[in-house]
Amino acid sequence: QKEVEQDPGPLSVPEGAIVSLNCTYSNSAFQYFMWYRQYSRKGPELLMYTYSSGNKEDGRFTAQVDKSSKYISLFIRDSQPSDSATYLCAMSAVAGANSKLTFGKGITLSVRP
Amino acid sequence: NAGVTQTPKFQVLKTGQSMTLQCAQDMNHNSMYWYRQDPGMGLRLIYYSASEGTTDKGEVPNGYNVSRLNKREFSLRLESAAPSQTSVYFCASSASSGSGANVLTFGAGSRLTVL
Repeated sequence: QKEVEQDPGPLSVPEGAIVSLNCTYSNSAFQYFMWYRQYSRKGPELLMYTYSSGNKEDGRFTAQVDKSSKYISLFIRDSQPSDSATYLCAMSAVAGANSKLTFGKGITLSVRP
Repeated sequence: NAGVTQTPKFQVLKTGQSMTLQCAQDMNHNSMYWYRQDPGMGLRLIYYSASEGTTDKGEVPNGYNVSRLNKREFSLRLESAAPSQTSVYFCASSASSGSGANVLTFGAGSRLTVL
C-alpha cells in the first residue's frame, strides 16, 4: 500500500461547481498536511497547509483533515476556469525545513466555462 | 523577486551523454531539493541538501550526483544519461513556516529527454 493515495482523475466540472479533492494515507505519524497547485508546464505552488486535524479556510478553498480516518480533503467553492490545474497533496510527520514530504500523485482538474 | 531559478528549461540528450541541471534560490533558504516528476508516478525526491556543505539521498538517487555549491546554488548531474531519466526535474527550497510545516518553493522545471 502506498503511503499516500490520491484519486487519479482526471476530473471535469462546470464553472461554479463545488469540487472535492481527496487523499488517504497510511502513516499515522503524519501531522502536517499540504495542498499544492500545479498549472500546466509550471512548478507546484503551495495552496494551503494545516497542522493535525480540523478545517482551514482561505477564500474559496477549504482544507479538511480527519486523522482518525487518515483522510484529507480540499474543497473548492464556486470553481472557476482559472482553478484548472493539477492538485497534489503532501504530508510529513515532523516539523521543520528538513522534514521529508510524501506527495500524492496528483489529480488534474478541469473547470469548464 | 526570482524565487527558485532552474536552467536549462529544456534539454535533449543522447544515451550516455552527461549534463548538469542548475538551480539557484534567492530566498536565503537553508534546505534545497531535487525532484523528478513522471506521469503516474508523482513527485519523487532524488537528493536534498539540509544546509550548505551537506547532501543526502532521497527516494531515487541512482544515476545522479549533486553539489551544494553554496547557500544559493544546488546542481544535479547526470553522468551517463539513460532513457529512464527522461522526466521533468524540479528544484525546490524551503524554510520552515511558523507552524513548522515544511513549505517548499519550486522552480519552473527542466524538461529532459534522453534518446
